[in-house]
Amino acid sequence: DTAVSQTPKYLVTQMGNDKSIKCEQNLGHDTMYWYKQDSKKFLKIMFSYNNKELIINETVPNRFSPKSPDKAHLNLHINSLELGDSAVYFCASSQLAGPEQFFGPGTRLTVL
Amino acid sequence: AQSVTQLGSHVSVSEGALVLLRCNYSSSVPPYLFWYVQYPNQGLQLLLKYTTGATLVKGINGFEAEFKKSETSFHLTKPSAHMSDAAEYFCAVSEPYSGGGADGLTFGKGTHLIIQP
Repeated sequence: DTAVSQTPKYLVTQMGNDKSIKCEQNLGHDTMYWYKQDSKKFLKIMFSYNNKELIINETVPNRFSPKSPDKAHLNLHINSLELGDSAVYFCASSQLAGPEQFFGPGTRLTVL
Repeated sequence: AQSVTQLGSHVSVSEGALVLLRCNYSSSVPPYLFWYVQYPNQGLQLLLKYTTGATLVKGINGFEAEFKKSETSFHLTKPSAHMSDAAEYFCAVSEPYSGGGADGLTFGKGTHLIIQP
Protein backbone atom coordinates (compact mmCIF):
# COMPACT_ATOMS: atom_id res chain seq x y z
CA ASP A 1 0.00 0.00 0.00
CA THR A 2 3.02 2.23 -0.48
CA ALA A 3 2.00 5.68 -1.74
CA VAL A 4 5.26 6.93 -3.28
CA SER A 5 8.02 4.40 -3.86
CA GLN A 6 11.56 4.76 -5.12
CA THR A 7 14.14 2.28 -6.32
CA PRO A 8 16.84 1.69 -5.46
CA LYS A 9 17.09 2.79 -1.85
CA TYR A 10 20.89 2.90 -2.04
CA LEU A 11 23.03 3.47 -5.12
CA VAL A 12 26.81 3.41 -5.08
CA THR A 13 28.63 4.12 -8.31
CA GLN A 14 31.79 5.47 -9.85
CA MET A 15 32.37 8.95 -11.22
CA GLY A 16 31.50 9.26 -14.86
CA ASN A 17 28.82 6.56 -14.84
CA ASP A 18 25.22 7.06 -15.90
CA LYS A 19 22.49 5.97 -13.50
CA SER A 20 18.72 6.13 -13.06
CA ILE A 21 16.43 6.32 -10.07
CA LYS A 22 12.84 5.20 -10.46
CA CYS A 23 9.80 6.70 -8.78
CA GLU A 24 6.22 5.48 -8.78
CA GLN A 25 3.13 6.82 -7.06
CA ASN A 26 -0.20 5.05 -6.66
CA LEU A 27 -2.11 8.06 -5.32
CA GLY A 28 -3.59 9.08 -8.65
CA HIS A 29 -1.72 12.37 -8.51
CA ASP A 30 -0.99 14.34 -11.65
CA THR A 31 2.16 16.17 -10.61
CA MET A 32 5.49 14.71 -9.55
CA TYR A 33 8.73 16.21 -8.25
CA TRP A 34 12.35 15.47 -7.58
CA TYR A 35 14.18 17.01 -4.63
CA LYS A 36 17.83 16.78 -3.62
CA GLN A 37 18.86 16.66 0.05
CA ASP A 38 22.52 17.46 0.59
CA SER A 39 24.83 16.34 3.37
CA LYS A 40 23.59 19.18 5.58
CA LYS A 41 20.03 17.94 5.09
CA PHE A 42 19.07 20.96 3.01
CA LEU A 43 16.24 20.12 0.58
CA LYS A 44 15.96 21.77 -2.79
CA ILE A 45 13.51 21.29 -5.64
CA MET A 46 15.08 19.99 -8.83
CA PHE A 47 12.10 19.38 -11.11
CA SER A 48 8.36 19.41 -11.11
CA TYR A 49 6.42 17.72 -13.87
CA ASN A 50 2.85 17.17 -14.91
CA ASN A 51 1.33 16.25 -18.21
CA LYS A 52 1.44 19.86 -19.28
CA GLU A 53 4.83 21.14 -18.38
CA LEU A 54 8.23 20.45 -16.94
CA ILE A 55 9.59 23.08 -14.59
CA ILE A 56 13.30 22.88 -14.08
CA ASN A 57 15.22 24.55 -11.30
CA GLU A 58 17.77 26.63 -13.17
CA THR A 59 20.56 25.51 -10.88
CA VAL A 60 20.22 21.86 -11.88
CA PRO A 61 22.93 20.71 -14.33
CA ASN A 62 21.65 19.40 -17.64
CA ARG A 63 23.26 16.05 -16.78
CA PHE A 64 20.06 15.47 -14.81
CA SER A 65 16.93 14.69 -16.77
CA PRO A 66 13.50 13.52 -15.68
CA LYS A 67 11.62 11.00 -17.80
CA SER A 68 7.94 10.27 -17.33
CA PRO A 69 6.58 7.21 -19.14
CA ASP A 70 3.14 7.81 -17.64
CA LYS A 71 1.41 9.87 -14.94
CA ALA A 72 2.35 7.43 -12.19
CA HIS A 73 6.08 7.43 -12.87
CA LEU A 74 8.83 10.00 -12.93
CA ASN A 75 12.32 8.61 -13.27
CA LEU A 76 15.52 10.57 -12.80
CA HIS A 77 18.42 9.97 -15.18
CA ILE A 78 21.85 11.26 -14.32
CA ASN A 79 24.69 11.27 -16.83
CA SER A 80 28.41 11.56 -16.15
CA LEU A 81 28.05 11.37 -12.38
CA GLU A 82 30.26 13.65 -10.28
CA LEU A 83 31.33 13.51 -6.65
CA GLY A 84 29.07 16.46 -5.87
CA ASP A 85 26.03 14.51 -6.98
CA SER A 86 26.26 12.42 -3.82
CA ALA A 87 23.08 13.14 -1.88
CA VAL A 88 19.69 11.74 -1.00
CA TYR A 89 17.15 12.18 -3.78
CA PHE A 90 13.46 12.33 -2.92
CA CYS A 91 10.55 11.89 -5.24
CA ALA A 92 7.22 13.46 -4.33
CA SER A 93 3.76 13.78 -5.82
CA SER A 94 0.69 15.96 -5.47
CA GLN A 95 -2.46 16.96 -7.19
CA LEU A 96 -1.94 19.98 -9.41
CA ALA A 97 -4.85 21.63 -7.63
CA GLY A 98 -3.67 20.73 -4.15
CA PRO A 99 -0.70 21.94 -2.12
CA GLU A 100 0.17 18.78 -0.23
CA GLN A 101 3.13 16.83 -1.47
CA PHE A 102 3.73 13.22 -0.50
CA PHE A 103 7.30 12.06 -0.39
CA GLY A 104 8.98 8.78 -1.18
CA PRO A 105 11.52 7.15 1.15
CA GLY A 106 14.52 8.57 -0.70
CA THR A 107 17.46 7.17 -2.64
CA ARG A 108 20.90 7.65 -1.17
CA LEU A 109 23.35 8.13 -4.05
CA THR A 110 27.05 7.81 -3.34
CA VAL A 111 29.52 8.67 -6.10
CA LEU A 112 33.05 7.37 -5.56
CA ALA B 1 11.34 34.78 -4.33
CA GLN B 2 10.32 32.87 -1.29
CA SER B 3 12.57 31.95 1.60
CA VAL B 4 12.18 30.15 4.90
CA THR B 5 14.19 30.65 8.06
CA GLN B 6 14.18 28.13 10.87
CA LEU B 7 15.75 29.55 13.98
CA GLY B 8 17.96 27.00 15.69
CA SER B 9 19.49 24.10 13.83
CA HIS B 10 19.26 22.04 17.03
CA VAL B 11 16.65 22.27 19.77
CA SER B 12 16.85 20.18 22.94
CA VAL B 13 13.94 19.73 25.33
CA SER B 14 13.21 17.40 28.21
CA GLU B 15 10.63 14.67 27.85
CA GLY B 16 7.28 16.12 28.86
CA ALA B 17 8.32 19.71 28.20
CA LEU B 18 6.90 22.11 25.65
CA VAL B 19 8.30 21.85 22.11
CA LEU B 20 8.61 25.10 20.16
CA LEU B 21 10.21 25.11 16.71
CA ARG B 22 10.38 28.47 14.98
CA CYS B 23 9.73 29.22 11.33
CA ASN B 24 9.63 32.57 9.58
CA TYR B 25 9.04 33.06 5.90
CA SER B 26 9.52 35.71 3.29
CA SER B 27 7.05 35.88 0.44
CA SER B 28 5.41 38.52 -1.69
CA VAL B 29 2.00 37.00 -0.99
CA PRO B 30 0.80 34.89 1.92
CA PRO B 31 2.00 31.43 0.99
CA TYR B 32 0.85 27.96 1.80
CA LEU B 33 2.80 26.71 4.83
CA PHE B 34 3.83 23.24 5.89
CA TRP B 35 5.71 21.37 8.54
CA TYR B 36 7.30 18.06 7.64
CA VAL B 37 9.09 15.57 9.90
CA GLN B 38 11.94 13.31 8.84
CA TYR B 39 12.94 10.37 10.99
CA PRO B 40 16.45 8.95 10.48
CA ASN B 41 16.92 7.33 7.07
CA GLN B 42 13.30 7.92 6.12
CA GLY B 43 11.33 10.18 3.85
CA LEU B 44 9.39 13.26 4.82
CA GLN B 45 6.01 12.98 6.49
CA LEU B 46 3.56 15.86 6.52
CA LEU B 47 2.75 17.01 10.06
CA LEU B 48 0.35 19.81 9.21
CA LYS B 49 -0.40 22.51 6.70
CA TYR B 50 -1.95 25.95 6.45
CA THR B 51 -3.63 27.14 3.28
CA THR B 52 -6.57 29.35 4.20
CA GLY B 53 -9.04 29.77 7.02
CA ALA B 54 -8.32 29.16 10.68
CA THR B 55 -4.82 30.27 11.53
CA LEU B 56 -4.30 27.65 14.23
CA VAL B 57 -3.88 24.29 12.59
CA LYS B 58 -3.64 20.93 14.26
CA GLY B 59 -1.60 18.10 12.88
CA ILE B 60 -0.64 14.57 13.65
CA ASN B 61 1.12 13.36 16.78
CA GLY B 62 -0.19 16.23 18.91
CA PHE B 63 1.56 19.01 16.98
CA GLU B 64 -0.01 22.31 16.06
CA ALA B 65 1.12 25.53 14.42
CA GLU B 66 -0.20 29.06 14.18
CA PHE B 67 0.02 31.26 11.11
CA LYS B 68 0.72 34.86 12.09
CA LYS B 69 0.68 37.05 9.02
CA SER B 70 1.86 40.16 10.84
CA GLU B 71 4.93 38.30 12.07
CA THR B 72 5.35 36.18 8.91
CA SER B 73 5.69 33.19 11.19
CA PHE B 74 4.43 29.64 11.41
CA HIS B 75 5.88 28.21 14.61
CA LEU B 76 5.35 24.56 15.50
CA THR B 77 4.43 23.53 19.03
CA LYS B 78 3.61 20.47 21.06
CA PRO B 79 2.60 20.74 24.72
CA SER B 80 4.47 17.68 25.95
CA ALA B 81 7.48 16.16 24.19
CA HIS B 82 7.82 12.44 23.81
CA MET B 83 10.99 10.49 23.09
CA SER B 84 9.51 9.41 19.76
CA ASP B 85 9.41 13.08 18.65
CA ALA B 86 13.16 13.11 18.17
CA ALA B 87 13.65 13.81 14.47
CA GLU B 88 14.45 16.50 11.90
CA TYR B 89 11.68 19.03 11.32
CA PHE B 90 11.33 21.10 8.18
CA CYS B 91 9.20 24.16 7.57
CA ALA B 92 8.24 24.72 3.94
CA VAL B 93 6.29 27.18 1.83
CA SER B 94 4.72 27.19 -1.59
CA GLU B 95 2.98 29.75 -3.72
CA PRO B 96 -0.79 29.83 -3.29
CA TYR B 97 -2.48 27.82 -5.96
CA SER B 98 -2.56 29.64 -9.25
CA GLY B 99 -2.35 26.71 -11.59
CA GLY B 100 -0.62 24.29 -9.38
CA GLY B 101 1.81 23.55 -6.63
CA ALA B 102 4.02 22.63 -9.53
CA ASP B 103 6.59 25.19 -8.46
CA GLY B 104 7.65 22.91 -5.67
CA LEU B 105 8.21 23.55 -2.00
CA THR B 106 10.83 25.91 -0.59
CA PHE B 107 12.26 24.41 2.57
CA GLY B 108 13.98 25.82 5.59
CA LYS B 109 17.27 24.29 6.65
CA GLY B 110 15.65 22.08 9.23
CA THR B 111 15.70 21.83 13.02
CA HIS B 112 17.00 18.74 14.74
CA LEU B 113 14.83 18.06 17.78
CA ILE B 114 16.54 16.27 20.65
CA ILE B 115 14.50 14.88 23.52
CA GLN B 116 16.30 14.51 26.83
CA PRO B 117 15.02 11.73 29.12
